Amino acid sequence: GAVVSQHPSWVICKSGTSVKIECRSLDFQATTMFWYRQFPKQSLMLMATSNEGSKATYEQGVEKDKFLINHASLTLSTLTVTSAHPEDSSFYICSARDPGGRGLYEQYFGPGTRLTVT
Amino acid sequence: GQNIDQPTEMTATEGAIVQINCTYQTSGFNGLFWYQQHAGEAPTFLSYNVLDGLEEKGRFSSFLSRSKGYSYLLLKELQMKDSASYLCAVLDSNYQLIWGAGTKLIIKP
Repeated sequence: GAVVSQHPSWVICKSGTSVKIECRSLDFQATTMFWYRQFPKQSLMLMATSNEGSKATYEQGVEKDKFLINHASLTLSTLTVTSAHPEDSSFYICSARDPGGRGLYEQYFGPGTRLTVT
Repeated sequence: GQNIDQPTEMTATEGAIVQINCTYQTSGFNGLFWYQQHAGEAPTFLSYNVLDGLEEKGRFSSFLSRSKGYSYLLLKELQMKDSASYLCAVLDSNYQLIWGAGTKLIIKP
């Protein structure tokens, strides 16, 4: 099946610093990737949709200057949390669509990145 | 607006059967997904229904009624490892996934 990796799996950073999270589709080309955030005991919240070669589409309420998304290739999307603050501490999960896979619109999830800002 | 409802939490006994319901009101419908998510991990795909009826896959089955805006996930022969959150998600007319808040399933021995 389609595999999506994320790196790092966890990161601790100081307030005010920036953190970059990578999301890779390992065995398929993903024209569309998604970035989610999940706070404890809550469901997934879509932050943005990342399309290869174009600007990401951000959901309402998500600051695009704070959460920078780059989808430079068909297998890699990055999320950079700029000037991180403790309230940005969360579980960040990426997913990707495999157009050639079992289901046209099924999303394959990465293992997630737990960010803690101190 | 778009809305997906599922119970917040359910408890069941090991070896038993449990049914997790999901009702939805969305702008258009292009299929419904069920995902399993263990604590601290990413969701994993369980099922996809786009036509009415029951889809069976081992111990897990998923049912859809489009006219009623209703789906359920049926888990049989429950095992302790089935303790997890179960997420219902609908693909709307724009092919965007709309997520439910998830149902936390607790399995007791």
